[in-house]
Amino acid sequence: GAGVSQTPSNKVTEKGKYVELRCDPISGHTALYWYRQSLGQGPEFLIYFQGTGAADDSGLPNDRFFAVRPEGSVSTLKIQRTERGDSAVYLCASSSGTSGGADTQYFGPGTRLTVL
Amino acid sequence: AQSVTQLDSHVSVSEGTPVLLRCNYSSSYSPSLFWYVQHPNKGLQLLLKYTSAATLVKGINGFEAEFKKSETSFHLTKPSAHMSDAAEYFCVVSDWGSSGNTRLVFGKGTRLSVIA
Repeated sequence: GAGVSQTPSNKVTEKGKYVELRCDPISGHTALYWYRQSLGQGPEFLIYFQGTGAADDSGLPNDRFFAVRPEGSVSTLKIQRTERGDSAVYLCASSSGTSGGADTQYFGPGTRLTVL
Repeated sequence: AQSVTQLDSHVSVSEGTPVLLRCNYSSSYSPSLFWYVQHPNKGLQLLLKYTSAATLVKGINGFEAEFKKSETSFHLTKPSAHMSDAAEYFCVVSDWGSSGNTRLVFGKGTRLSVIA
């Protein structure tokens, strides 16, 4: 079946601009996660949705970052007033949300964001 | 908070020889542990996971890992390396988030090179 998809695959923007990154999870998965992977590092948690609500946004670095999931499926990560330090690969993952800590998270291919 | 430490940033092996990628974890409770692989320009793929059942876990592509509580280790092994195994490998532990959710905590990764 279809996996997690993310669009765009690459995004180049200028400092100060606004960007939106989209994630389409596996059908039926209620849990959705965003992670950020900087060059040479492992992914770091940003935000978690269970259904439509952001149940844990403690990983968002500051208030320029915001994410929504209005219908409990597709999610959009929004970054305002982008800075060069926001350049990274943004990963989305989804899971069934039924197995707690043992839940397998399935990752999308990521969006590579470059802020000039 | 849970954490993992990958002891080698880069491992190089010859094709057909064994692979050992080392990982130590820190956890205040019985952890769920995972190994993910990331091939260039591709998404993260789950290799295997440990969830408090058998301590020796078999994964895809001939990989396996052994959970050793006394050593707080979860090393990844494969008897015979193949050229297609060249990739970045991440050791991951599941942590509890602020709302009772789980999120993944990644190590910094080990880059595996396979020499013909």
